[in-house]
Amino acid sequence: GENVEQHPSTLSVQEGDSAVIKCTYSDSASNYFPWYKQELGKGPQLIIDIRSNVGEKKDQRIAVTLNKTAKHFSLHITETQPEDSAVYFCAASTPRGNQFYFGTGTSLTVIP
Amino acid sequence: SAVISQKPSRDICQRGTSLTIQCQVDSQVTMMFWYRQQPGQSLTLIATANQGSEATYESGFVIDKFPISRPNLTFSTLTVSNLSPEDSSIYLCSVDRGIGEAFFGQGTRLTVV
Repeated sequence: GENVEQHPSTLSVQEGDSAVIKCTYSDSASNYFPWYKQELGKGPQLIIDIRSNVGEKKDQRIAVTLNKTAKHFSLHITETQPEDSAVYFCAASTPRGNQFYFGTGTSLTVIP
Repeated sequence: SAVISQKPSRDICQRGTSLTIQCQVDSQVTMMFWYRQQPGQSLTLIATANQGSEATYESGFVIDKFPISRPNLTFSTLTVSNLSPEDSSIYLCSVDRGIGEAFFGQGTRLTVV
């Protein structure tokens, strides 16, 4: 089955700096890659996603890039703010679409 | 997106008892999923619940321990049976609205004492 690895496990940045979280996957059939933000005491919230027919997607301060050849995808947060502090999970799913494989999470702290 | 309501949001249970978690969705969905998130860990799929059929369990999870009901297209329950401290986790309901995107409820934090 699919194996998703995520790095780093923890990340601290100064407010205003950029944060980058990277994930790799093993199954070349995976074609959908969402990113989730989980705040303390809450469920994961979908913040951005990318499908395998696109190399990059941007939504305001958040962007995701995908390299299908290397089987890795990354989350980029620019101009970080304290409210960006949370745990971020990447995931991958195959065309069957009903099985999501999650990374191990990155705890992001934005220092004011 | 989807509005997903999970109840209870948290509970403390005695070992040996059971807890039933409810998941209500604001619209009809074919597939509902139950995940477990152990403290500081990632999400692990327990089972997939389709209306009108038996739930499909992932490796390491069995129906006797995690019975699931799916009486209609907007509702599901997960029961965690014969609780032990190792069952202390966050349990999450998730739905796929047919376009391959997963949306999650706020989770149920279970503590077994």
